[in-house]
Amino acid sequence: GIQVEQSPPDLILQEGANSTLRCNFSDSVNNLQWFHQNPWGQLINLFYIPSGTKQNGRLSATTVATERYSLLYISSSQTTDSGVYFCAGTVLGGTSYGKLTFGQGTILTVHP
Amino acid sequence: ETGVTQSPTHLIKTRGQQVTLRCSSQSGHNTVSWYQQALGQGPQFIFQYYREEENGRGNFPPRFSGLQFPNYSSELNVNALELDDSALYLCASSLALQNIQYFGAGTRLSVL
Repeated sequence: GIQVEQSPPDLILQEGANSTLRCNFSDSVNNLQWFHQNPWGQLINLFYIPSGTKQNGRLSATTVATERYSLLYISSSQTTDSGVYFCAGTVLGGTSYGKLTFGQGTILTVHP
Repeated sequence: ETGVTQSPTHLIKTRGQQVTLRCSSQSGHNTVSWYQQALGQGPQFIFQYYREEENGRGNFPPRFSGLQFPNYSSELNVNALELDDSALYLCASSLALQNIQYFGAGTRLSVL
């Protein structure tokens, strides 16, 4: 199966700072998604971004499919941004069509 | 439009017992996937159901089984519980086999 590597594993910021989270895939993927897991465990969809760039408020994401990586940008971070960020994707052309493979996550802590 | 709902939210069982977790998919979605998330890890794919049939399975033993009903809701059954089965179990629904997956809040299972 594919390997998904996320970096950095941990990130500590002061409120107002900007950050970039990275996700590398060992093979071509589609259905690439970014999630934020809140303290209660729910995975919140941030972006569905198999390629290109999208923006939603203070968050934006870019996927370069040919180079098998994706970036999540958080600008002007707030304490409510704290939590774990996951990227995940399904294998292009694989037989387990809906199998999302997740990275290990980036734990973000934003201090006031 | 209702989102993905899971029940129960928390569950405590003893080793050797059996458990059933339930998931109601988002309105209009016909595909349900189940994931297991151990503490500090990313979610791991268990299996997926599409039109009441299992469509892809991860690296989980046969004591993990499931069902999908005509209304697309789903159950995850785990027999002969082991201590390592303690985890957050997440259900996700999607409109088709490869589209965006939306997650419920999860069921936190503790096996003592």
